[in-house]
Amino acid sequence: SQKIEQNSEALNIQEGKTATLTCNYTNYSPAYLQWYRQDPGRGPVFLLLIRENEKEKRKERLKVTFDTTLKQSLFHITASQPADSATYLCALYGGATNKLIFGTGTLLAVQP
Amino acid sequence: EPEVTQTPSHQVTQMGQEVILRCVPISNHLYFYWYRQILGQKVEFLVSFYNNEISEKSEIFDDQFSVERPDGSNFTLKIRSTKLEDSAMYFCASSEAPGRETQYFGPGTRLLVL
Repeated sequence: SQKIEQNSEALNIQEGKTATLTCNYTNYSPAYLQWYRQDPGRGPVFLLLIRENEKEKRKERLKVTFDTTLKQSLFHITASQPADSATYLCALYGGATNKLIFGTGTLLAVQP
Repeated sequence: EPEVTQTPSHQVTQMGQEVILRCVPISNHLYFYWYRQILGQKVEFLVSFYNNEISEKSEIFDDQFSVERPDGSNFTLKIRSTKLEDSAMYFCASSEAPGRETQYFGPGTRLLVL
């Protein structure tokens, strides 16, 4: 069956450290994978999109990698800050469709 | 920066009542979507809409649901006869190009059915 799994429900790290979040998928062959941030009671906010022919994408303190052989994407936040505390969602397009399929998310807590 | 807006932010209704959730997508976007998120669960796709018709819908989007673009700016989701299990956050999203590009989400409408 098709699945999108994010490594853990919650991740606690110290301010200044690098947070690494994992997204694994099975039985999909996505051409794109996206990462969103969601704060409590709010809508997902787009962060980064990576295409299957891109190994890595960066935006300020954020970095995303995409390994289509491992069927995995890693999302890194360097020099993390308490303001980075939120739920991070990975999402991909499932097959010949325009709908985004979301993972369950990882709740990141950055401790000061 | 352009953004998707949604009204109302909160809606409380009695079971069996009709509700209409409203969205204003980003102005140059052509593709529109509704998603929902039940408390503590994943964001789930409901429906996509392009060129004044539904392009795709999920199993959740049954006959009780309908969507409409009544004018050049609004995009609405109607639930005809709400059930308790319709209680969720409903998110509107829009994209410039056919689905496989970034979808931008609104802040959501929290619907509570009593």
